[in-house]
Amino acid sequence: DAKTTQPNSMESNEEEPVHLPCNHSTISGTDYIHWYRQLPSQGPEYVIHGLTSNVNNRMASLAIAEDRKSSTLILHRATLRDAAVYYCILRVVAGGTSYGKLTFGQGTILTVHP
Amino acid sequence: DGGITQSPKYLFRKEGQNVTLSCEQNLNHDAMYWYRQDPGQGLRLIYYSQIVNDFQKGDIAEGYSVSREKKESFPLTVTSAQKNPTAFYLCASSITGANTEAFFGQGTRLTVV
Repeated sequence: DAKTTQPNSMESNEEEPVHLPCNHSTISGTDYIHWYRQLPSQGPEYVIHGLTSNVNNRMASLAIAEDRKSSTLILHRATLRDAAVYYCILRVVAGGTSYGKLTFGQGTILTVHP
Repeated sequence: DGGITQSPKYLFRKEGQNVTLSCEQNLNHDAMYWYRQDPGQGLRLIYYSQIVNDFQKGDIAEGYSVSREKKESFPLTVTSAQKNPTAFYLCASSITGANTEAFFGQGTRLTVV
């Protein structure tokens, strides 16, 4: 299975932008890049996903490198409610033994300072 | 409300007993997943199912069993063979396909004493 690598932790100040990096050098051509976040003692929450082009939604933006070997989740103005563990995962398309598998890594702990 | 429900939120069992965790979804999703999370760690995949009456082992299936008799339900049994069953268990569901988001339940915290 293709793996992702994220920094263990990052810090930000409130109302500043946050760029959370993710490396996925073994990504296959059709794997989707997904981001989730998890607050303490809760289930993960979907944030955003993309394939090749940059994506924006109400929560965040996803910037995908041209070679797709890395991506960056961008929170444009961090709030205290954005403090969470952020997971970057690759979702496998149809076919193959890993079809449908949804595998999480260790994630990045984001701390937001007031 | 549509969503995915795990019950109970907290569960206590004596060592050596099997215990079944419930996961129900009314989102009409084909795919369902079970994860285990230990303190300070990420999620580890136990089992997943893409369709009724079919499921696959994840990365840490030993000591666990599942069934998928109905589309809405994917119960997880933690057997006495699981060496360290105390953990936070999370269930998720999604439409089949890589271009779809997964929805998670609120989890069940299992403590074995």
